[in-house]
Amino acid sequence: DTAVSQTPKYLVTQMGNDKSIKCEQNLGHDTMYWYKQDSKKFLKIMFSYNNKELIINETVPNRFSPKSPDKAHLNLHINSLELGDSAVYFCASSQEVGGNTIYFGEGSWLTVV
Amino acid sequence: GQSLEQPSEVTAVEGAIVQINCTYQTSGFYGLSWYQQHDGGAPTFLSYNALDGLEETGRFSSFLSRSDSYGYLLLQELQLKDSASFFCALTGNQGGKLIFGQGTELSVKP
Repeated sequence: DTAVSQTPKYLVTQMGNDKSIKCEQNLGHDTMYWYKQDSKKFLKIMFSYNNKELIINETVPNRFSPKSPDKAHLNLHINSLELGDSAVYFCASSQEVGGNTIYFGEGSWLTVV
Repeated sequence: GQSLEQPSEVTAVEGAIVQINCTYQTSGFYGLSWYQQHDGGAPTFLSYNALDGLEETGRFSSFLSRSDSYGYLLLQELQLKDSASFFCALTGNQGGKLIFGQGTELSVKP
């Protein structure tokens, strides 16, 4: 039933490791996003994909690599994790680019130690 | 670029009415949205204004004035469960990305 689902929900890992977060939406939407929310609750867009094509890349370090195998999935791989990567990562989707309603997943809480 | 400003905290009592303001700077946008986020939860969509004026959805209403670069979210008949963070957000007209304000933490007291 979950519209936008992401796994894992919680992730604790050491500096320097590589980790992935997976996201799937069953809403039939064309556009998917990754947002990062820091400890001050600031939500910042990282990437946006429309029908598997990258359309927004917001000056994110190239240690972060999104991959969209199909329009229902958008995964995020992070290499060489740093302490500053600790945050909540939200996957989201909308009907189309610029859609006025964005549906968020429950978030993946990443802690780098 | 785009930026949005909203108060960091607002406190109100149960049953009251509260207005959360949002001012913005942008070179162009499709509309202004509002999202609610409870602690530990995901942001959820509340309201969207593409045109100037008031949009009403139950106890929540949202307003936009493009000429004043200003909008607000009005919450009526406040309930304790309304305590949460509220974000205004602009849908930019370049790539359609959603840019969020810093969020307003609403505390509803008995």
